[in-house]
Amino acid sequence: SQKIEQNSEALNIQEGKTATLTCNYTNYSPAYLQWYRQDPGRGPVFLLLIRENEKEKRKERLKVTFDTTLKQSLFHITASQPADSATYLCALIKAAGNKLTFGGGTRVLVKP
Amino acid sequence: DTEVTQTPKHLVMGMTNKKSLKCEQHMGHRAMYWYKQKAKKPPELMFVYSYEKLSINESVPSRFSPECPNSSLLNLHLHALQPEDSALYLCASSPKTVSGHGPQYFGPGTRLLVL
Repeated sequence: SQKIEQNSEALNIQEGKTATLTCNYTNYSPAYLQWYRQDPGRGPVFLLLIRENEKEKRKERLKVTFDTTLKQSLFHITASQPADSATYLCALIKAAGNKLTFGGGTRVLVKP
Repeated sequence: DTEVTQTPKHLVMGMTNKKSLKCEQHMGHRAMYWYKQKAKKPPELMFVYSYEKLSINESVPSRFSPECPNSSLLNLHLHALQPEDSALYLCASSPKTVSGHGPQYFGPGTRLLVL
């Protein structure tokens, strides 16, 4: 069966350090991978999209990599700030259709 | 206007009630979605509308009935729900690109409690 796995344990990190989150998938051939941020009681907010033929994407302090051989995406938050504390969700989408399937999410807590 | 709005924010209903959730966007997006999210779980897709037509129904029970009256509005009609249907219901929209893979813009959700 298709699986999208993110580290379910919360990631505690000191302010200013780089947070690295992992998204692994099996039995899936996504064409696109997206990352979202979700705060408690709010809807997810889109952060970055990366295509299967792209290795890396950056936006301000965020960086995403996509390795279709390893079936893995890494999401980095550099110079982390307490305001970055949230749950981060990866989501995969196949080439045909617009159905997003989310991973379980990883909660990040940045301590001052 | 770059946001998706949802009403009501909170809803408490009995198992015999009929209620509706409403979602609105004015970004010109032609794809709209309903998701259900339980606590500490990711959003799960329920329905997708593309150009006001239902394109995906993820085997959702018939007690949930979606409706897309026009390109800006999406409703979810609820009838005879069960307590296990209590969850955060999220609406989202996305630009209908050629590939159909644009980012999705989510509303704040409706917190539903079924008694």
